[in-house]
Amino acid sequence: GQNIDQPTEMTATEGAIVQINCTYQTSGFNGLFWYQQHAGEAPTFLSYNVLDGLEEKGRFSSFLSRSKGYSYLLLKELQMKDSASYLCAVSDSNYQLIWGAGTKLIIKP
Amino acid sequence: GAVVSQHPSWVICKSGTSVKIECRSLDFQATTMFWYRQFPKQSLMLMATSNEGSKATYEQGVEKDKFLINHASLTLSTLTVTSAHPEDSSFYICSASEVAGDYNEQFFGPGTRLTVL
Repeated sequence: GQNIDQPTEMTATEGAIVQINCTYQTSGFNGLFWYQQHAGEAPTFLSYNVLDGLEEKGRFSSFLSRSKGYSYLLLKELQMKDSASYLCAVSDSNYQLIWGAGTKLIIKP
Repeated sequence: GAVVSQHPSWVICKSGTSVKIECRSLDFQATTMFWYRQFPKQSLMLMATSNEGSKATYEQGVEKDKFLINHASLTLSTLTVTSAHPEDSSFYICSASEVAGDYNEQFFGPGTRLTVL
């Protein structure tokens, strides 16, 4: 079966760095997405990785290792507004997104 | 960027009634639209995938006669929840995909919160 695993919840301090991991097992691979979702709102796109390596976009970076079925989202200089759920999703061989359950990130002052 | 709208943003209805939710891509043509349902503290659950002009493909366990999907144009898809019951209360989110390069990125609408009394 297809499976996406990510931690349920993480806590970090304002100004610090946090890494959210995602491991996947899917039928085929056409890219991995990270989305941010604030409570009661729809997800918003953060990043897309299809090749191995690190993609940096401002305070957020995303890393992919296809051979390991592994990705992480790195958030630097954490701000209170970064408190949200972070969803990992993999596009499979049919371009269908397989979603992880999301990681709730709690930022403390 | 690509914008997707949903209407209504929230709706309260009585049990047994039908509710229609609209999803529009405002500044691009959506080859495919997706409908998701999300229960509190849970991840998105794909309900169905629809391509313009063809019948929607429903995920296992989703009743196609209860959740009617129409994708009449490249910018509009509708989800009708027929004979709604309290257990259908959920956050319904649509997304639209425009083929870009070799991947399909989904742009999400703001969601519709349905409460069935």
